[in-house]
Amino acid sequence: KNQVEQSPQSLIILEGKNCTLQCNYTVSPFSNLRWYKQDTGRGPVSLTIMTFSENTKSNGRYTATLDADTKQSSLHITASQLSDSASYICVVRRGTGNQFYFGTGTSLTVIP
Amino acid sequence: NAGVTQTPKFQVLKTGQSMTLQCAQDMNHEYMSWYRQDPGMGLRLIHYSVGAGITDQGEVPNGYNVSRSTTEDFPLRLLSAAPSQTSVYFCASSYEWTANEQFFGPGTRLTVL
Repeated sequence: KNQVEQSPQSLIILEGKNCTLQCNYTVSPFSNLRWYKQDTGRGPVSLTIMTFSENTKSNGRYTATLDADTKQSSLHITASQLSDSASYICVVRRGTGNQFYFGTGTSLTVIP
Repeated sequence: NAGVTQTPKFQVLKTGQSMTLQCAQDMNHEYMSWYRQDPGMGLRLIHYSVGAGITDQGEVPNGYNVSRSTTEDFPLRLLSAAPSQTSVYFCASSYEWTANEQFFGPGTRLTVL
């Protein structure tokens, strides 16, 4: 069964601290994995995309990793800011069509 | 560019009422889709369109209708609202159906009493 699971479900960290969010998937055949940030009351916005051949990709303070062998991805946030408070959603694309599998998201709260 | 816009932002309906959620994009994207987001669940695809005049069902199409008369607009119609349709609805678009990135609208929060 094609699934995407994220952990933890929620996370609270102090401003300035680092954190890592996890995404495990069973989607096959794998095409790519994308991390979205969803602010409260807004639609998801893409942070980064990982393809099969990519292990690590950075976008500012966000660094995504992908281990295609174990079917795991992580999103590391460095030196967190209050504006990082949001839900982070992992989405895996199956094949080359329009089949996208969404995780339930990790709700991150950054407190001062 | 305004990107993907949705109206209304909030809506309350009574069971059995019908309504249309509006979605428009100004990026000349061919592919548009509707998702619903429920607590504890990932976004689920309701309907999608690969171009004007072409629509198809997604994972959870029952109780919803769509049409695509223009490239810009993709309205979602609730035929007879039910409490199970209480959800947040997102419209998304991408330049073509094989494109990797979808651009999402701000969402419509719908409550059915």
